[in-house]
Amino acid sequence: SQQGEEDPQALSIQEGENATMNCSYKTSINNLQWYRQNSGRGLVHLILIRSNEREKHSGRLRVTLDTSKKSSSLLITASRAADTASYFCATERNNNDMRFGAGTRLTVKP
Amino acid sequence: ETGVTQSPTHLIKTRGQQVTLRCSSQSGHNTVSWYQQALGQGPQFIFQYYREEENGRGNFPPRFSGLQFPNYSSELNVNALELDDSALYLCASSRTGAGTEAFFGQGTRLTVV
Repeated sequence: SQQGEEDPQALSIQEGENATMNCSYKTSINNLQWYRQNSGRGLVHLILIRSNEREKHSGRLRVTLDTSKKSSSLLITASRAADTASYFCATERNNNDMRFGAGTRLTVKP
Repeated sequence: ETGVTQSPTHLIKTRGQQVTLRCSSQSGHNTVSWYQQALGQGPQFIFQYYREEENGRGNFPPRFSGLQFPNYSSELNVNALELDDSALYLCASSRTGAGTEAFFGQGTRLTVV
């Protein structure tokens, strides 16, 4: 069964704007990861945040984690048309046993 | 490119048939996980193999089975195919241990008719 749930299901913005996606989950986790998928192909790892961390940055990406609310957010700043993709959060309780949400489909218009 | 290769890329099978999907993991990775992704959904965990042993399983029936070989490559076998098995099957390799990045292959698109 899926663990995380992303919100919104779809997001459409203009190039240069920021995009924020949220993820909620139900059980305790060791860490949470965000992945990106283009056109139904393989997933690409973006960032991992551990349960004892609250915020992480990687380039234009910023991830937050609130374990008390069982939620995470992914912020993409200064979006580009090439950021158009589906974004998934994946929660991990045991070794690499990742459970994915249904994803947010992001469209960045040039 | 992640170094994880899957074959074939596309496959069409008839209901009731059996299928084998293959995955070559990235060099240095000893753990392989398989996922099923239906259209418009997130990947669903099927199972994981570590050092040739099943090391965790999702909510999939026994007709989904797997193997991992000494070189850490892996196979996913599905027997008695059903129409609902039509999906993208993703393989991910990683080093063992919590909190390690998984590298995904490009997937095999299986269509059951």
